[in-house]
Amino acid sequence: AQSVTQLGSHVSVSEGALVLLRCNYSSSVPPYLFWYVQYPNQGLQLLLKYTSAATLVKGINGFEAEFKKSETSFHLTKPSAHMSDAAEYFCAVSFSGNTGKLIFGQGTTLQVKP
Amino acid sequence: DAGVIQSPRHEVTEMGQEVTLRCKPISGHDYLFWYRQTMMRGLELLIYFNNNVPIDDSGMPEDRFSAKMPNASFSTLKIQPSEPRDSAVYFCASSQNIGSVYGYTFGSGTRLTVV
Repeated sequence: AQSVTQLGSHVSVSEGALVLLRCNYSSSVPPYLFWYVQYPNQGLQLLLKYTSAATLVKGINGFEAEFKKSETSFHLTKPSAHMSDAAEYFCAVSFSGNTGKLIFGQGTTLQVKP
Repeated sequence: DAGVIQSPRHEVTEMGQEVTLRCKPISGHDYLFWYRQTMMRGLELLIYFNNNVPIDDSGMPEDRFSAKMPNASFSTLKIQPSEPRDSAVYFCASSQNIGSVYGYTFGSGTRLTVV
């Protein structure tokens, strides 16, 4: 069955530390992969996306993610966390390219401590 | 472009009342999605439209919920009668295609509280 899983509903890091948010998917075909961010009291914003081009994708605000087919993963990273990165992050997958709707993970809340 | 516009931003209503949420998608986007977000269930897709036609409403929780898209620039989500368990943030999103190579664009949401 096709699914998307975000490991860890809450992640806490210190300011300046590495941010790593995990996303794994289950699919028999290469998917399109996305990361969205939701700041408090706002809608979701697209951070970055993978659509079968370069496997290392750079997004806004210094975030990047790497598509690893062998691990069926698309983890989101940022070398140095800022206080302003505190938000909820959603991994989303389209299992049928342009013909499949996005399936969202359960979300990971990132807390950044001073 | 002003993005996806939702109204109202906040709605407080009494149990049993009718509630109507509104959405204006981005011009040129052929797909419109209604989502509900709660702490318990996360982000749930309720229904989506393609060219104003409802395609998949399997996420609509029950008959109390209905959605319409009378034209390309307007959609409504109605709850009648409302119940406290309907309290949530409701998001509207639009996209040029369903698989969204371009990404779904979300509105700021309507926070619904049913007391």
